[in-house]
Amino acid sequence: DAKTTQPNSMESNEEEPVHLPCNHSTISGTDYIHWYRQLPSQGPEYVIHGLTSNVNNRMASLAIAEDRKSSTLILHRATLRDAAVYYCILRGLRGAQKLVFGQGTRLTINP
Amino acid sequence: DSGVTQTPKHLITATGQRVTLRCSPRSGDLSVYWYQQSLDQGLQFLIQYYNGEERAKGNILERFSAQQFPDLHSELNLSSLELGDSALYFCASSVGTTTPGELFFGEGSRLTVL
Repeated sequence: DAKTTQPNSMESNEEEPVHLPCNHSTISGTDYIHWYRQLPSQGPEYVIHGLTSNVNNRMASLAIAEDRKSSTLILHRATLRDAAVYYCILRGLRGAQKLVFGQGTRLTINP
Repeated sequence: DSGVTQTPKHLITATGQRVTLRCSPRSGDLSVYWYQQSLDQGLQFLIQYYNGEERAKGNILERFSAQQFPDLHSELNLSSLELGDSALYFCASSVGTTTPGELFFGEGSRLTVL
């Protein structure tokens, strides 16, 4: 599985945008970029995924670099509930569809 | 609520014992995944089943085994328990194995081995 690199921690303020970076320089052409988050004392939850184009959903936006070697998860207006560990994961089309979690980024939101 | 149900939520047992964790996937999901989360190891993939058959194996110890039943629920059996097996065990489900869709995780079973 291709590796991703994320900062260990980030901090932001409530109601401000948050940009969470992820580097994946060894990404292959068929790897999807997935983001999950894990709130305290809960199981991981899906946030968003994309292949080449930027993606938006009700939770966040995913900006993918043109060469696909990096991506950024954007929370447009952070709330206290967004404090969580965010995981950037590459997931191929072929083979088993397991998610391989790294250490993720622990996001702290200040009121 | 993800729709994935795990029981029990909490379990305390002693070293050397055996426990069974149960997972009911979301309605219609054929794939079940098991993960272990301990403080020092993060989220580790253990094993995946699809429609009753083992599909992928991760860092699962030989003392651990799992199966998926015809009604698609899954059980993770942990035997000869050691202190280091204390962890949160998560089950996740998805519709299939070849689509890049999302995995839905349960709330986990917290195992404490004393």
